[in-house]
Amino acid sequence: AQSVTQLDSQVPVFEEAPVELRCNYSSSVSVYLFWYVQYPNQGLQLLLKYLSGSTLVKGINGFEAEFNKSQTSFHLRKPSVHISDTAEYFCAVNGGSYQLTFGKGTKLSVIP
Amino acid sequence: GAGVSQTPSNKVTEKGKYVELRCDPISGHTALYWYRQSLGQGPEFLIYFQGTGAADDSGLPNDRFFAVRPEGSVSTLKIQRTERGDSAVYLCASSPGMDSPLHFGNGTRLTVT
Repeated sequence: AQSVTQLDSQVPVFEEAPVELRCNYSSSVSVYLFWYVQYPNQGLQLLLKYLSGSTLVKGINGFEAEFNKSQTSFHLRKPSVHISDTAEYFCAVNGGSYQLTFGKGTKLSVIP
Repeated sequence: GAGVSQTPSNKVTEKGKYVELRCDPISGHTALYWYRQSLGQGPEFLIYFQGTGAADDSGLPNDRFFAVRPEGSVSTLKIQRTERGDSAVYLCASSPGMDSPLHFGNGTRLTVT
């Protein structure tokens, strides 16, 4: 069994400021990790994924995430956010099967 | 089309009615998934198809829910005797294979009154 905890349900941040969205997971097996973004009235879009190799993963739109096995974390970061980054972000884990387990999501609000 | 297409985008139905939700996956994607996203929650797995067969339907909440994919492409999620608790956004996703990232559609927002 696996689970995902997104520690913040809402994160307000000023435009051009850095942001970190936190994600912790639990799993009894090795995992693949994902971040998806959901813009209003749209489907989920893959931001980035960790499958193996380098623990620092770069994704689209300037986002990156770091896999930390000892802390079972996969936090998402961006050094400077834009208004267009306002969306809901979901962390997800796949324990080697086809099922993705999602967190409850973090709503990022970028303030002009 | 270029992406996963779901129809209708919105569906309002009365309690007790039957509904069908359709998913057109990306051409050539053999894996198809249905997820349900309730208000304030992340998506929850319902069912997975590999080709025409339901490889795992363990996420379907009860026997009122059923899904088919008769020709290995389009899938239909069917809900009988709808209840208010079924109100949610139903998401469909497809992928080229089991180990590939999922491509999601925009979802069908189901409201049961």
